Amino acid sequence: KQEVTQIPAALSVPEGENLVLNCSFTDSAIYNLQWFRQDPGKGLTSLLLIQSSQREQTSGRLNASLDKSSGRSTLYIAASQPGDSATYLCAVGVVETSGSRLTFGEGTQLTVNP
Amino acid sequence: DGGITQSPKYLFRKEGQNVTLSCEQNLNHDAMYWYRQDPGQGLRLIYYSQIVNDFQKGDIAEGYSVSREKKESFPLTVTSAQKNPTAFYLCASRVDSYNSPLHFGNGTRLTVT
Repeated sequence: KQEVTQIPAALSVPEGENLVLNCSFTDSAIYNLQWFRQDPGKGLTSLLLIQSSQREQTSGRLNASLDKSSGRSTLYIAASQPGDSATYLCAVGVVETSGSRLTFGEGTQLTVNP
Repeated sequence: DGGITQSPKYLFRKEGQNVTLSCEQNLNHDAMYWYRQDPGQGLRLIYYSQIVNDFQKGDIAEGYSVSREKKESFPLTVTSAQKNPTAFYLCASRVDSYNSPLHFGNGTRLTVT
């Protein structure tokens, strides 16, 4: 069974700092990996999607990498801002006989202090 | 604007009552999903549906039921058989392509007392 782990569970940084969030998964037979952002009491917003054949994706100050063989992904946030404060979740996509689905990690709660 | 609408935002029920959570999307997405989120835990899959009139159990389907009579709608019923129903429920959808991103509604917080 696929398991997804995110480290650290919580992170607090000063504004302007570059930071890295980590995601690991146990089964490398994935077809993609997605990073999401969740604000308190809200749904999830998709940030980046990396297909299994890709190594990284970039959007603005965000860069996500994927190493399938080692079962790891990182989300790099450059020049962090207080507005980046949220919980970040990664999810891996797997294909089963009944269809495709995502398995989520527990998230990293990020606080960026002004 | 296209999106996923979950209603209501907050829902309160007495123990022993069934309750139905609404999820409607106007994105013309084929696949729809229901997740449950508890404090300090990741999202856990309850049910999902790839096409109309078909759905599959996820990891924690016991005590829940769904229907998919229309492409736009995927209601979730929390039955009295669900032992710990108090949670944040999230509905999601996407185009039925393995590499399409998942879109989420804003969730329904259910409290059962």
